[in-house]
Amino acid sequence: AQSVTQLDSQVPVFEEAPVELRCNYSSSVSVYLFWYVQYPNQGLQLLLKYLSGSTLVKGINGFEAEFNKSQTSFHLRKPSVHISDTAEYFCAVSDRSNTGKLIFGQGTTLQVKP
Amino acid sequence: DTAVSQTPKYLVTQMGNDKSIKCEQNLGHDTMYWYKQDSKKFLKIMFSYNNKELIINETVPNRFSPKSPDKAHLNLHINSLELGDSAVYFCASSQGRRLNYGYTFGSGTRLTVV
Repeated sequence: AQSVTQLDSQVPVFEEAPVELRCNYSSSVSVYLFWYVQYPNQGLQLLLKYLSGSTLVKGINGFEAEFNKSQTSFHLRKPSVHISDTAEYFCAVSDRSNTGKLIFGQGTTLQVKP
Repeated sequence: DTAVSQTPKYLVTQMGNDKSIKCEQNLGHDTMYWYKQDSKKFLKIMFSYNNKELIINETVPNRFSPKSPDKAHLNLHINSLELGDSAVYFCASSQGRRLNYGYTFGSGTRLTVV
């Protein structure tokens, strides 16, 4: 079975500062990894995904993430955040099986301050 | 055009009532899901259907019954609503179950049981 742990429940950061949101996963098989963003009172939107190949994945809105197999991590980064990045961020894992099941982490609230 | 649409967006009802939430996707996807997001924002899968066939049925009370009349629709009926059913319910869809493209989420239905 897979599991996902997001290591920080809240991350406060000032505008234009860099940010890293941490995600660790556990799985005995190869996985696909995803980051989703949820703005207040909205559904989840896909930021980026890792399926295979290059371990550095670039997504929308200037975000990127790095897959590290040895550390079973998939941390999300942005070099300079904006107020509009304030949202809930979810890391998710799929075991590549034929169920289509995504397992989500607990979420990290990114609070960007002016 | 909304890709995955849920109705209603808000639902306030009394304990013991029966209610339904509808979901429709116009993406041509063949797999649809229901997720429950609790008050701590934790997302948990409830059900998934692939081409009208039930694929995932997690540990969910029998009071919850999904129905998929065709691959573009997945409805959720809840009988005898309880206070603990209060949550945001998200519908999602994907093309296939290997999740190469992740999910597309609806904007959610906020259910409040009073």
